[in-house]
Amino acid sequence: AQKITQTQPGMFVQEKEAVTLDCTYDTSDPSYGLFWYKQPSSGEMIFLIYQGSYDQQNATEGRYSLNFQKARKSANLVISASQLGDSAMYFCAMDHTGGFKTIFGAGTRLFVKA
Amino acid sequence: SQTIHQWPATLVQPVGSPLSLECTVEGTSNPNLYWYRQAAGRGLQLLFYSVGIGQISSEVPQNLSASRPQDRQFILSSKKLLLSDSGFYLCAWREEGTYEQYFGPGTRLTVT
Repeated sequence: AQKITQTQPGMFVQEKEAVTLDCTYDTSDPSYGLFWYKQPSSGEMIFLIYQGSYDQQNATEGRYSLNFQKARKSANLVISASQLGDSAMYFCAMDHTGGFKTIFGAGTRLFVKA
Repeated sequence: SQTIHQWPATLVQPVGSPLSLECTVEGTSNPNLYWYRQAAGRGLQLLFYSVGIGQISSEVPQNLSASRPQDRQFILSSKKLLLSDSGFYLCAWREEGTYEQYFGPGTRLTVT
């Protein structure tokens, strides 16, 4: 069965420091995609970063990078130089090639302290 | 560029009343469309998805229904709302063959 697990319900980080949000997944399909979304208090879901299962290098988008460890089935999000505006819920998600459905984790709430 | 609209932004409805939430996408053709519900402080629950006009797949049996009368229009309905229908409803679209979904601004529904 396909599953996404985010074990950190809440995380605190000091402004300007880096933080890692954990995500593990389970699938038997060799072809899949992993993503992270940010949801600020306004409720909108903002796409952050994507990693394909066959990608050799870890994905990066500005201050966001995805630490992809295929053998461990983990896809952790690393946010460098945290900013106050990074305070939000973060969701890890997975989809499969040719599939129609995306599975979301339960989310991690990040608090950035000044 | 593509945009996605949802309305209304907020809605307060009494138990037993009907519901109609609308979602439209601009700037793309034949998108995959999705309805999700998010309970307070929780993750996203997929309710319905559609890969084409008139085609609807339901993920969770409940008193909600969805319709896709036009290529870029997706409607979520209920004949009689329950208290448990309260939540944040998000519409999303995805271009066929890609992974990323793009979400609308959401509708916050409170059933009283």
